[in-house]
Amino acid sequence: GESVGLHLPTLSVQEGDNSIINCAYSNSASDYFIWYKQESGKGPQFIIDIRSNMDKRQGQRVTVLLNKTVKHLSLQIAATQPGDSAVYFCAETMKAGTALIFGKGTTLSVSS
Amino acid sequence: EAGVAQSPRYKIIEKRQSVAFWCNPISGHATLYWYQQILGQGPKLLIQFQNNGVVDDSQLPKDRFSAERLKGVDSTLKIQPAKLEDSAVYLCASSPTGGGTGELFFGEGSRLTVL
Repeated sequence: GESVGLHLPTLSVQEGDNSIINCAYSNSASDYFIWYKQESGKGPQFIIDIRSNMDKRQGQRVTVLLNKTVKHLSLQIAATQPGDSAVYFCAETMKAGTALIFGKGTTLSVSS
Repeated sequence: EAGVAQSPRYKIIEKRQSVAFWCNPISGHATLYWYQQILGQGPKLLIQFQNNGVVDDSQLPKDRFSAERLKGVDSTLKIQPAKLEDSAVYLCASSPTGGGTGELFFGEGSRLTVL
């Protein structure tokens, strides 16, 4: 699968590959981290979240990894599909009910 | 369950004109947010309401932007006068009060083009 160590604005993969999207967050006091998917012309859509007391969380085809030591978050998408093509944003907040701070997005392009 | 509703979806105006965007959050969500998303960037918070009170408006350009949520339900964001750099998508989001994961539920956004 394709992976990037540092944040890159774009990632191109073949259908069926595993994708890894990275994000560096800004605040060491942040407690919640969320990955959003944004398709063209639409608002951000929740994918998966993780709290700071965890280092890994799995969903359906997606896994989020959190490394607090280096303030790094990653999203792994298994068996990437064309429908996964979108811009992916990581977001952080110090506590639930407070505004999310969004990172730079990564555009994922999946070719079949 | 109905999602966050926003209108209009698209608006084109000339600089120095005014514009208003409307948002109706998910029923029962006490917290409402307005974000600005410039093309190619992540959303940036403009203002956060808790019921009808402002929680955070530190990044709202108050000389030209205003927002209100008078009855603690729907909200209006106004820009007057608009500048070219205000061209962006204005996203409204809502969340329930307290607890949960911190997830915000977003609307489809209102795309503003200032000519």
